[in-house]
Formats: sequence, structure tokens, C-alpha cells
Amino acid sequence: ETGVTQTPRHLVMGMTNKKSLKCEQHLGHNAMYWYKQSAKKPLELMFVYSLEERVENNSVPSRFSPECPNSSHLFLHLHTLQPEDSALYLCASSQETRISPLHFGNGTRLTVT
Amino acid sequence: RKEVEQDPGPFNVPEGATVAFNCTYSNSASQSFFWYRQDCRKEPKLLMSVYSSGNEDGRFTAQLNRASQYISLLIRDSKLSDSATYLCVVTRGNAGNMLTFGGGTRLMVKP
Repeated sequence: ETGVTQTPRHLVMGMTNKKSLKCEQHLGHNAMYWYKQSAKKPLELMFVYSLEERVENNSVPSRFSPECPNSSHLFLHLHTLQPEDSALYLCASSQETRISPLHFGNGTRLTVT
Repeated sequence: RKEVEQDPGPFNVPEGATVAFNCTYSNSASQSFFWYRQDCRKEPKLLMSVYSSGNEDGRFTAQLNRASQYISLLIRDSKLSDSATYLCVVTRGNAGNMLTFGGGTRLMVKP
């Protein structure tokens, strides 16, 4: 049973659509992350929020827009995506300490048509 | 050079075998190291942290060689349920919340 919940589990969208991915963590952590996992590629860090402030934006295109309204919730707003954006999008949380393993949600599998 | 390199495998081993995975990392300032496990179509989960002196958790042993920038994972007495992809993960320097993932090594344990 994961303490990090992502919705939806699956999403199919056209290139002109606007959609949002949602993540909620129930672990009392103070840092949240978005990762992208494409086929045959390592997990890529997209965004990091620490204490609700964005501390990392890993050269992600502006068609991906994160939002962190509080320490328990994280959103990824999507608009005018490309087919190459199809991937598994994973949310994670951690307690910001020197050694801080990540707890992942079960991901949203996104297909852009 | 990739920040974290792993042999993608797959490693096909019989039940009961001992198998070892290696990982190299390029950032000499990395401070913390982990092995994660990812089952097919599931999210990664922490398997174990890797400490400088080496550490063991049941059938799993992790080793770290800072001089060679090399991490290993040894699995003894493999079980069918060990079949998964094993991800080597390192921190970017001393930044506890900035992790770099390797591409993973796929293990398949056969009856």
C-alpha cells in the first residue's frame, strides 16, 4: 500500500488537449518530485519542490507546468504535448534529509496521440 | 559518459543461484547511494541503502567502493520473486533530494 497516490492511472490525450496529473502524499514528507520514465531510458527528474518551493526545474519544456499548493499535493499541468511525451510519469516524496530515499506513487501512464 | 551506468541485462539465472550487479557513477562528490527495485509496470521501491562499510539485508549485500566509484549488489539464493529490474541510484553531490537513476539491470530468475 503506497503512501503516495497518483491519479489518473492512465491518460490518453490529443496534442491540443489540456490535462492535469495529480499526486497526494500521506507520509508527512516535505519534498515532492515529478519524474518521467520513458521506454529504455533511466528515470529523468523533472521538478522538485521542497517546502512548497520549486528548487529544481530540469530543463523541462514549458508545456509541462508543475504546481504545489501545499506539502501534500503536487500537480503536473499538461498542454499541447507531443507524441514523444508519452511515458510513465511518477510522483515521489521524501523527507528532506541528507539521506532521503524516495517513496514513489504508482504512476500515470500517459499516451499522447 | 552517463552519470550512472548499469549493464541492462537481462541476467537469466536459475533459482538458488547467486547473482551480482555492478554500477558505476561519474560524480565523485556523490554522498549517498541506494538500490531500488522496479517490478514490471510498477513504481520503483527502495531495496536498500548502500553504506561505506558495506551492508547486508537478508540475502542481499551491497558494497561501495568510493575510490573506483563503483557500487555492487549481491543476491544469494535467488527466488522467483526476485525477478525485477534493479536500479542503482546516487545523489548529486551532497544534495539529499537530488537523485540520479541508472537505467537498471533486469533480473529473471527461472525455476
